[in-house]
Formats: sequence, C-alpha cells, structure tokens
Amino acid sequence: EAQVTQNPRYLITVTGKKLTVTCSQNMNHEYMSWYRQDPGLGLRQIYYSMNVEVTDKGDVPEGYKVSRKEKRNFPLILESPSPNQTSLYFCASSSWLLGETQYFGPGTRLLVL
Amino acid sequence: DAKTTQPPSMDCAEGRAANLPCNHSTISGNEYVYWYRQIHSQGPQYIIHGLKNNETNEMASLIITEDRKSSTLILPHATLRDTAVYYCIPRGARTGKLIFGQGTTLQVKP
Repeated sequence: EAQVTQNPRYLITVTGKKLTVTCSQNMNHEYMSWYRQDPGLGLRQIYYSMNVEVTDKGDVPEGYKVSRKEKRNFPLILESPSPNQTSLYFCASSSWLLGETQYFGPGTRLLVL
Repeated sequence: DAKTTQPPSMDCAEGRAANLPCNHSTISGNEYVYWYRQIHSQGPQYIIHGLKNNETNEMASLIITEDRKSSTLILPHATLRDTAVYYCIPRGARTGKLIFGQGTTLQVKP
C-alpha cells in the first residue's frame, strides 16, 4: 500500500531536549516536505527536499533541521525544542510525474513543555 | 502565488450533492487548481485537480470556469464521512509547496 508514515504519532517533551520525527514514504517520490499546523494559522511549510541531498527552507524553518540522505526518508530534527514548536506536524511526498499529487502522512502531535 | 477565497463553512444534507466554491481570480496561466480535504486533524487528503477542463474522478467533480477565476468542487452524494475542511489550492506545475488557506468546513448532516 502506498503510504507516508511518521513516527512518533504523539510526543511530549521538555524544552531543550533534542528530538527527531521520522518520515518515510514507499512510493519512490523525489519531493518531500514538512508542514506544521496551528490553530488559526493553517498549514505552513517548514522545509522541503527536491531529491536526495537537496533541501531548502520553507516559510517557517527557524528552529528546525532536516536531512535527505535516502530517497525514502526525510527526518525533521528539533535540536532545542521550545514551547512555540508545540504543533501538529505533517510530512508529505510527491513525484514530479503522475500529476504531482502530494500524499500526506498521518501527523505527529508534539507538545513541548 | 494566487490568493483564494472560500466560504468559511457550509452545510449539506446526507445523500445530496455538496457544491463547494472557490474564487482564485489571480491564478496564473500555468497554475493548476488542486483540492484537498482534511478530516479532523488527519493528514490532508488529495481529492482532484485541474487546469482548464472539468475533471471527474471516483471522489468528486471539478468545474473550472472558462476564465479560470473560480472553480467548484462537487461531491455528488455527500455522506457523513465527507465532513471535513476542504481546501482549494492553486499550484504551479512542478512546484512542490502547497499554500493552504483557511478552507471551507463542510458539515454533512443526517
């Protein structure tokens, strides 16, 4: 089954404790992206990757890092989480073919205390 | 990036057609119109997209006006499971970023 998976789905952490949210897709997609969703602000793009070893900032990249060492994985790293990074996070992927439909993961709900 | 205007909320009776409008008057010639929906904080789900012509798939139909300044998503027989926030998103070809507005909250009622 074609899918985008994220782990963990729920996470409670404390300020400053480094964490990684993993994202994996099994569709051989070139493009992957991270979004965060906050009440009243909608979904905003954090980082994206056009292909392996190619990443770039989205609209709200501060406080986040990403890497794309393999085509299927695109982890989101919070080196020193702060309470304002409490949010719902979505990973997405798409191909440049097939009408470029973007598939989203199920989401990771993060609470930073 | 083209701006969109969607009604904040709509109701629809179960079994009836739901018609969700979107105004995208600043859309450029190479931008497709994509529709996604999000059911209660789940990951957004792709519904349909089009450039100029009307499109239909197993989920919905998309009607785009001739001047491309607006479109309507049609769910032909809405069910309770179609209750969601629906987003209309203009997007250029080979541009990955999706710019989500506030969308339309569709409530399907029994």
